[in-house]
Amino acid sequence: DIQMTQSPSSQSASVGDRVSITCRASQHINTYLNWYQQKPGKAPRFLIYGASNLQSGVPSRFSGSGSGTDFTLTISSLQPEDIATYFCQQSFTSPPTFGQGTKVEIK
Amino acid sequence: QVQLQESGPGLVKPSETLSLTCTVSGDPMNNYYWNWIRQPPGKALEWIGYIYYGASTNSNPSLKGRATISIDTSKNQFSLKLTSVTAADTAVYYCARQSYTSGWKPFDYWGQGTLVTVSS
Repeated sequence: DIQMTQSPSSQSASVGDRVSITCRASQHINTYLNWYQQKPGKAPRFLIYGASNLQSGVPSRFSGSGSGTDFTLTISSLQPEDIATYFCQQSFTSPPTFGQGTKVEIK
Repeated sequence: QVQLQESGPGLVKPSETLSLTCTVSGDPMNNYYWNWIRQPPGKALEWIGYIYYGASTNSNPSLKGRATISIDTSKNQFSLKLTSVTAADTAVYYCARQSYTSGWKPFDYWGQGTLVTVSS
């Protein structure tokens, strides 16, 4: 199975800060990388597909980049409603696998 | 708006069978893959398996054949049975829709999850 490793595991930032989360795959996955947001007690929300394509309705402050093994999710200006855990997922090969998550908190 | 809702017992005894159902509303079930995903406490999400509306299935080899997924499109539901459970199967279980339209196969809609504890 492809292992997905996220860093950091948690991040504290101020409102308006730029926040970046890294996801690394244990082998090449082209751009078969999706990102999700999860708030406590809520269903996970699909944010980005194909490493850099924003899902409809997702605010433009979210962006994704990368290909191969290294990927980044960026929030350009952190808002209070962005407090959540973010996780990546590879869809290059079965079984699909997920990163362990990055918890974003307000400083 | 597509919505998914998991239902089933929150407590299962060791060696017994875990049974969950996901009810889908807001969109027909055809042309999508319907998945079960779980998250043990403190661990990453783990894909369990899927069923296509035409009833083809696939599951994670790590479960060694213990997972069975079925679908009832007349009720807009799909279900998971996981046999011979142990404490290691304690997790929050999610159902999720998967779209193959884009080629990147994201899980585009999820249920909010249900905690299943395996304990005597």
